[in-house]
Amino acid sequence: EVQLVESGGGLVKPGGSLRLSCTASGFIFSTHTMTWVRQTPGKGLEWVSSISGTSSDTYYADSVKGRFAISRDNADKSVYLQMNSLRAEDTAVYYCARRAAIRGIDYWGQGALVIVSS
Amino acid sequence: DIQMTQSPSSLSASVGDRVTITCQASQDISNYVNWYQQKPGKAPKLLIYVASSLETGVPSRFSGSGSGTEFTFSISSMQPEDFATYYCQQHYNGPVTFGGGTKVEI
Repeated sequence: EVQLVESGGGLVKPGGSLRLSCTASGFIFSTHTMTWVRQTPGKGLEWVSSISGTSSDTYYADSVKGRFAISRDNADKSVYLQMNSLRAEDTAVYYCARRAAIRGIDYWGQGALVIVSS
Repeated sequence: DIQMTQSPSSLSASVGDRVTITCQASQDISNYVNWYQQKPGKAPKLLIYVASSLETGVPSRFSGSGSGTEFTFSISSMQPEDFATYYCQQHYNGPVTFGGGTKVEI
């Protein structure tokens, strides 16, 4: 059974940093692109960042480029999202998700709530 | 980025009703569309991939169709557990993008 478990969410002040982690199980982690998607009541679902299986390719939404960094450790079956210079508009539930070649995003974690507020 | 315009944003239905939701892509995306169901406080759940393929374990009352720029998602006979929000998503090119969602209420 595919499982994705996020951790690291919380309350942070504007300008602060936070690191989200996602641990995977139930599939061959190193062969899948992993993705972070966030959800806010106002803007719905928004793709944030993706990383290829070998970490050779990383992608970012314009809204987070230069502030967020995605990485992965295939030995630990984990993907990370380092979030710096956080803004109020980054407040959201952040989902870790698996992307498959044909099926697209097929499995999601339970979500990690990030609140950016003073 | 490819825009996905989903309609309606909400609808009211009764148990047993047929429900249809549409998504229009801003450019040809072949059949690279997924449909998800989301219940409050939960992650989205994949129902349909590549426009019309039913995810394993998903009831056959759910279906999808379309290609190019026009896509349709249907529930043939609403069940109590189907009241939720539904999203389309494209993964054809560039960043994945989502429709705005359709909240299906009683």
